[in-house]
Amino acid sequence: KNEVEQSPQNLTAQEGEFITINCSYSVGISALHWLQQHPGGGIVSLFMLSSGKKKHGRLIATINIQEKHSSLHITASHPRDSAVYICAVPRTGNQFYFGTGTSLTVIP
Amino acid sequence: NAGVMQNPRHLVRRRGQEARLRCSPMKGHSHVYWYRQLPEEGLKFMVYLQKENIIDESGMPKERFSAEFPKEGPSILRIQQVVRGDSAAYFCASSRTSISGANVLTFGAGSRLTVL
Repeated sequence: KNEVEQSPQNLTAQEGEFITINCSYSVGISALHWLQQHPGGGIVSLFMLSSGKKKHGRLIATINIQEKHSSLHITASHPRDSAVYICAVPRTGNQFYFGTGTSLTVIP
Repeated sequence: NAGVMQNPRHLVRRRGQEARLRCSPMKGHSHVYWYRQLPEEGLKFMVYLQKENIIDESGMPKERFSAEFPKEGPSILRIQQVVRGDSAAYFCASSRTSISGANVLTFGAGSRLTVL
């Protein structure tokens, strides 16, 4: 079993839909990261959060430490949101456990 | 603030040649991490460095791979005698302090190595 599980693995949505990507983890953490990998391959750190909720534009990330679960929401999705979204949690030794990623395709 | 700069973005090598990938961390960041992403796979940790020191190289193959982060200049990931299996995207990330604390990790755009 992976330390970080993401669902769904693949997601196709119509433009304008509300999207939720889930991440569950089995280790104790200080913070959780959401990353976005563009179709061209570049990686952007979207959020780092240790409690509650953070919002940046149309992106919202929430975390429930007790339940060891985080969600990434995208409101009013747009084709340019098409990317792979990766959940990552720090582990000892300055490494990360990475989720396998959720591939999102938003259709116009 | 230019972010994490990696070069080259694309590198093609023949089997047996050497590949050198460079990473300049964000200004003010002294911690550098290298990750490898094989085709259709997730990110895998390779090595963690601070200036002039390798802190953790547990994810790096023991042979042919080496990394450094000199006092002056970028961090370099060096792959000697490349093989086809080394074809991957290599990502560098940097942080101000170690990620064992809740610190922001900034990724570079990656270097894509293709071994013919």
